[in-house]
Amino acid sequence: DARVTQTPRHKVTEMGQEVTMRCQPILGHNTVFWYRQTMMQGLELLAYFRNRAPLDDSGMPKDRFSAEMPDATLATLKIQPSEPRDSAVYFCASGLISSGHTDTQYFGPGTRLTVL
Amino acid sequence: GENVEQHPSTLSVQEGDSAVIKCTYSDSASNYFPWYKQELGKGPQLIIDIRSNVGEKKDQRIAVTLNKTAKHFSLHITETQPEDSAVYFCAASRDSGGGADGLTFGKGTHLIIQP
Repeated sequence: DARVTQTPRHKVTEMGQEVTMRCQPILGHNTVFWYRQTMMQGLELLAYFRNRAPLDDSGMPKDRFSAEMPDATLATLKIQPSEPRDSAVYFCASGLISSGHTDTQYFGPGTRLTVL
Repeated sequence: GENVEQHPSTLSVQEGDSAVIKCTYSDSASNYFPWYKQELGKGPQLIIDIRSNVGEKKDQRIAVTLNKTAKHFSLHITETQPEDSAVYFCAASRDSGGGADGLTFGKGTHLIIQP
């Protein structure tokens, strides 16, 4: 049963520290999305990649967030420096998406980040 | 950008009754509308989706309807069961040429099934 995996599942850190979250998309999927979930804002798109190329990162605070796909099996989301307002659950989703084909996104279990 | 409104925020129904959740969207170019179910501590899970060239889609006890003119779509769950209790999200996206863009989500509906 293919699944999106995310590590770590939980992360507690102090303000100012660097945080790196990792995602392994489902093998063969060409598109990877990063979302953030908070009580106040709900689920928000941060960035996404297709065939490892960044397509949209307009949802990310540019000064502190960065997203990369070093290879087809790994996507990373980095926050440096972290702030308390970054506390949220960060979800990675992947899909085999192209025009005229399925648009289904499969979500991982999330990384719960707490910044003290 | 796209804006998705979802109602109600909480819905309590008796087991066996039907539940309906409604969403509206603002971007007429949106053409893909999935519904996700999220249980506590887990990631959202797709339960059904619909594209703009279809008005209705059904999968066992779950159905989705889409009205492109009015820009609204709805989730219908019949014969509700305790395991249907969860938070449900509607979402919308459009195809910018290479496939669907990222999703814009509604705020969610907490569905409670009363035994």
